[in-house]
Amino acid sequence: GDSVTQMEGPVTLSEEAFLTINCTYTATGYPSLFWYVQYPGEGLQLLLKATKADDKGSNKGFEATYRKETTSFHLEKGSVQVSDSAVYFCALSDRNYGQNFVFGPGTRLSVLP
Amino acid sequence: EADIYQTPRYLVIGTGKKITLECSQTMGHDKMYWYQQDPGMELHLIHYSYGVNSTEKGDLSSESTVSRIRTEHFPLTLESARPSHTSQYLCASSESTPNYGYTFGSGTRLTVV
Repeated sequence: GDSVTQMEGPVTLSEEAFLTINCTYTATGYPSLFWYVQYPGEGLQLLLKATKADDKGSNKGFEATYRKETTSFHLEKGSVQVSDSAVYFCALSDRNYGQNFVFGPGTRLSVLP
Repeated sequence: EADIYQTPRYLVIGTGKKITLECSQTMGHDKMYWYQQDPGMELHLIHYSYGVNSTEKGDLSSESTVSRIRTEHFPLTLESARPSHTSQYLCASSESTPNYGYTFGSGTRLTVV
Protein backbone atom coordinates (compact mmCIF):
# COMPACT_ATOMS: atom_id res chain seq x y z
CA GLY A 1 0.00 0.00 0.00
CA ASP A 2 0.86 3.66 -0.10
CA SER A 3 3.28 5.01 2.51
CA VAL A 4 5.18 8.15 3.49
CA THR A 5 8.55 8.22 5.20
CA GLN A 6 10.03 11.27 6.88
CA MET A 7 13.37 11.96 8.51
CA GLU A 8 13.31 11.31 12.20
CA GLY A 9 13.29 14.20 14.59
CA PRO A 10 13.67 16.13 16.59
CA VAL A 11 15.52 18.60 14.43
CA THR A 12 17.11 21.46 16.34
CA LEU A 13 18.42 24.51 14.48
CA SER A 14 19.59 27.99 15.32
CA GLU A 15 17.61 30.94 14.04
CA GLU A 16 18.43 31.85 10.39
CA ALA A 17 19.78 28.35 9.65
CA PHE A 18 18.80 26.44 6.50
CA LEU A 19 16.14 23.77 6.94
CA THR A 20 15.61 20.53 5.07
CA ILE A 21 13.13 17.87 6.15
CA ASN A 22 13.25 14.83 3.93
CA CYS A 23 10.10 13.09 2.73
CA THR A 24 9.85 10.10 0.41
CA TYR A 25 6.76 8.22 -0.63
CA THR A 26 5.49 5.00 -2.13
CA ALA A 27 2.29 5.14 -4.14
CA THR A 28 0.49 2.85 -6.54
CA GLY A 29 -1.13 5.68 -8.50
CA TYR A 30 -0.52 9.37 -9.15
CA PRO A 31 -0.52 11.11 -5.79
CA SER A 32 -0.85 14.70 -4.79
CA LEU A 33 1.71 15.64 -2.12
CA PHE A 34 1.31 17.91 0.88
CA TRP A 35 3.14 19.37 3.83
CA TYR A 36 1.18 20.17 6.97
CA VAL A 37 2.39 22.03 10.05
CA GLN A 38 1.12 21.57 13.60
CA TYR A 39 1.88 24.22 16.21
CA PRO A 40 1.68 23.26 19.90
CA GLY A 41 -1.87 22.63 21.06
CA GLU A 42 -3.35 23.08 17.60
CA GLY A 43 -4.67 21.01 14.72
CA LEU A 44 -2.81 20.60 11.44
CA GLN A 45 -2.61 23.43 8.91
CA LEU A 46 -1.90 22.99 5.23
CA LEU A 47 1.50 24.52 4.52
CA LEU A 48 1.94 23.76 0.82
CA LYS A 49 1.07 21.22 -1.83
CA ALA A 50 1.98 19.93 -5.29
CA THR A 51 -0.33 17.93 -7.50
CA LYS A 52 1.94 16.69 -10.29
CA ALA A 53 5.55 15.90 -11.04
CA ASP A 54 7.98 18.85 -11.07
CA ASP A 55 5.43 21.15 -9.40
CA LYS A 56 6.87 23.34 -6.66
CA GLY A 57 4.70 24.25 -3.70
CA SER A 58 5.63 27.30 -1.65
CA ASN A 59 4.26 29.26 1.29
CA LYS A 60 5.69 31.44 4.09
CA GLY A 61 9.24 30.94 2.79
CA PHE A 62 8.91 27.14 2.71
CA GLU A 63 9.30 25.24 -0.57
CA ALA A 64 9.01 21.64 -1.73
CA THR A 65 9.34 20.17 -5.23
CA TYR A 66 7.49 17.05 -6.37
CA ARG A 67 10.23 14.73 -7.68
CA LYS A 68 8.68 11.69 -9.31
CA GLU A 69 12.02 10.16 -10.31
CA THR A 70 13.18 10.03 -6.69
CA THR A 71 9.66 9.78 -5.17
CA SER A 72 10.50 12.68 -2.89
CA PHE A 73 8.96 15.90 -1.62
CA HIS A 74 11.59 17.46 0.66
CA LEU A 75 10.64 20.56 2.64
CA GLU A 76 13.13 23.46 2.63
CA LYS A 77 13.41 26.93 4.07
CA GLY A 78 16.36 29.23 3.64
CA SER A 79 16.26 30.96 7.03
CA VAL A 80 14.18 29.55 9.89
CA GLN A 81 12.70 31.59 12.70
CA VAL A 82 11.81 30.67 16.27
CA SER A 83 8.15 30.87 15.24
CA ASP A 84 8.73 27.96 12.81
CA SER A 85 9.09 25.57 15.75
CA ALA A 86 6.39 22.98 15.19
CA VAL A 87 5.78 19.44 13.97
CA TYR A 88 5.79 18.99 10.19
CA PHE A 89 3.85 16.20 8.46
CA CYS A 90 4.34 15.04 4.90
CA ALA A 91 1.26 13.48 3.31
CA LEU A 92 -0.03 12.08 0.05
CA SER A 93 -3.42 11.63 -1.48
CA ASP A 94 -3.63 8.95 -4.12
CA ARG A 95 -6.75 8.93 -6.27
CA ASN A 96 -6.13 5.24 -6.86
CA TYR A 97 -6.03 4.43 -3.13
CA GLY A 98 -9.51 5.21 -1.89
CA GLN A 99 -8.61 8.88 -1.71
CA ASN A 100 -7.80 8.88 1.99
CA PHE A 101 -4.66 10.68 2.98
CA VAL A 102 -1.55 8.85 4.06
CA PHE A 103 0.46 10.85 6.60
CA GLY A 104 4.09 10.50 7.54
CA PRO A 105 4.99 10.17 11.22
CA GLY A 106 5.87 13.85 11.61
CA THR A 107 9.17 15.64 12.25
CA ARG A 108 9.50 17.96 15.23
CA LEU A 109 11.48 21.13 14.56
CA SER A 110 12.85 23.31 17.34
CA VAL A 111 14.45 26.63 16.41
CA LEU A 112 16.62 28.25 19.06
CA PRO A 113 17.17 32.04 19.26
CA GLU B 1 -10.68 31.76 10.22
CA ALA B 2 -11.45 28.11 10.90
CA ASP B 3 -14.24 26.55 8.87
CA ILE B 4 -14.25 23.37 10.92
CA TYR B 5 -15.08 23.53 14.59
CA GLN B 6 -14.46 21.08 17.36
CA THR B 7 -15.91 21.25 20.84
CA PRO B 8 -14.91 21.03 23.57
CA ARG B 9 -11.24 22.02 23.23
CA TYR B 10 -10.35 20.35 26.51
CA LEU B 11 -12.26 17.73 28.48
CA VAL B 12 -11.42 15.95 31.71
CA ILE B 13 -13.84 13.18 32.55
CA GLY B 14 -14.13 10.21 34.90
CA THR B 15 -13.82 6.57 33.90
CA GLY B 16 -17.06 5.01 32.70
CA LYS B 17 -18.68 8.24 31.52
CA LYS B 18 -20.27 8.59 28.10
CA ILE B 19 -18.91 11.46 26.04
CA THR B 20 -19.53 12.96 22.63
CA LEU B 21 -16.95 15.04 20.81
CA GLU B 22 -18.50 17.47 18.38
CA CYS B 23 -17.23 18.36 14.91
CA SER B 24 -18.94 20.67 12.45
CA GLN B 25 -17.82 22.16 9.15
CA THR B 26 -19.32 24.95 7.06
CA MET B 27 -17.61 24.17 3.75
CA GLY B 28 -20.11 21.63 2.45
CA HIS B 29 -17.44 18.94 2.30
CA ASP B 30 -18.72 15.43 1.73
CA LYS B 31 -15.75 13.71 3.35
CA MET B 32 -15.00 13.89 7.06
CA TYR B 33 -12.46 12.13 9.27
CA TRP B 34 -11.51 11.51 12.89
CA TYR B 35 -7.90 11.04 13.89
CA GLN B 36 -6.43 10.11 17.25
CA GLN B 37 -3.06 11.65 18.05
CA ASP B 38 -0.81 11.82 21.05
CA PRO B 39 0.34 15.47 20.95
CA GLY B 40 2.85 16.05 18.18
CA MET B 41 3.00 12.37 17.35
CA GLU B 42 1.75 10.20 14.51
CA LEU B 43 -1.86 10.51 13.32
CA HIS B 44 -4.11 7.44 13.48
CA LEU B 45 -7.30 7.36 11.41
CA ILE B 46 -10.13 5.96 13.52
CA HIS B 47 -13.27 6.81 11.50
CA TYR B 48 -14.23 8.41 8.22
CA SER B 49 -17.32 9.26 6.24
CA TYR B 50 -17.83 9.91 2.55
CA GLY B 51 -21.27 11.42 3.00
CA VAL B 52 -24.55 11.34 4.88
CA ASN B 53 -25.35 7.92 6.36
CA SER B 54 -21.90 6.64 5.35
CA THR B 55 -19.36 5.77 8.04
CA GLU B 56 -16.33 3.49 8.04
CA LYS B 57 -13.75 2.39 10.57
CA GLY B 58 -10.22 3.55 10.00
CA ASP B 59 -6.84 1.93 10.35
CA LEU B 60 -6.69 2.07 14.15
CA SER B 61 -9.18 0.01 16.09
CA SER B 62 -11.25 2.25 18.31
CA GLU B 63 -14.02 1.72 20.82
CA SER B 64 -15.66 4.93 19.67
CA THR B 65 -18.58 5.25 17.28
CA VAL B 66 -19.57 7.99 14.83
CA SER B 67 -22.66 9.12 12.98
CA ARG B 68 -23.27 11.29 9.91
CA ILE B 69 -26.87 12.38 9.81
CA ARG B 70 -26.10 15.81 8.34
CA THR B 71 -23.36 16.78 5.90
CA GLU B 72 -21.90 19.38 8.25
CA HIS B 73 -21.89 17.35 11.46
CA PHE B 74 -19.72 14.31 12.39
CA PRO B 75 -19.81 13.60 16.13
CA LEU B 76 -17.70 10.94 17.83
CA THR B 77 -19.03 9.09 20.88
CA LEU B 78 -17.34 7.03 23.56
CA GLU B 79 -19.94 4.98 25.44
CA SER B 80 -17.69 4.30 28.43
CA ALA B 81 -14.51 6.33 28.71
CA ARG B 82 -11.31 4.69 29.99
CA PRO B 83 -7.87 6.11 30.83
CA SER B 84 -6.53 4.47 27.63
CA HIS B 85 -8.75 6.88 25.67
CA THR B 86 -6.71 9.84 26.91
CA SER B 87 -5.43 11.51 23.76
CA GLN B 88 -6.03 14.32 21.31
CA TYR B 89 -8.83 13.84 18.77
CA LEU B 90 -8.63 15.73 15.48
CA CYS B 91 -11.50 16.14 13.06
CA ALA B 92 -10.90 16.94 9.38
CA SER B 93 -12.87 17.36 6.19
CA SER B 94 -12.09 17.43 2.49
CA GLU B 95 -13.60 17.85 -0.93
CA SER B 96 -14.23 14.80 -3.07
CA THR B 97 -11.12 15.22 -5.24
CA PRO B 98 -7.76 14.52 -3.63
CA ASN B 99 -5.98 17.66 -4.79
CA TYR B 100 -7.28 20.12 -2.24
CA GLY B 101 -6.06 18.68 1.00
CA TYR B 102 -7.70 18.26 4.34
CA THR B 103 -8.94 21.05 6.59
CA PHE B 104 -8.42 20.25 10.27
CA GLY B 105 -10.16 21.45 13.38
CA SER B 106 -8.20 22.60 16.42
CA GLY B 107 -8.71 19.31 18.20
CA THR B 108 -10.17 18.07 21.48
CA ARG B 109 -7.71 17.15 24.20
CA LEU B 110 -9.38 14.38 26.23
CA THR B 111 -8.17 13.22 29.63
CA VAL B 112 -9.90 10.31 31.32
CA VAL B 113 -9.14 9.99 35.02
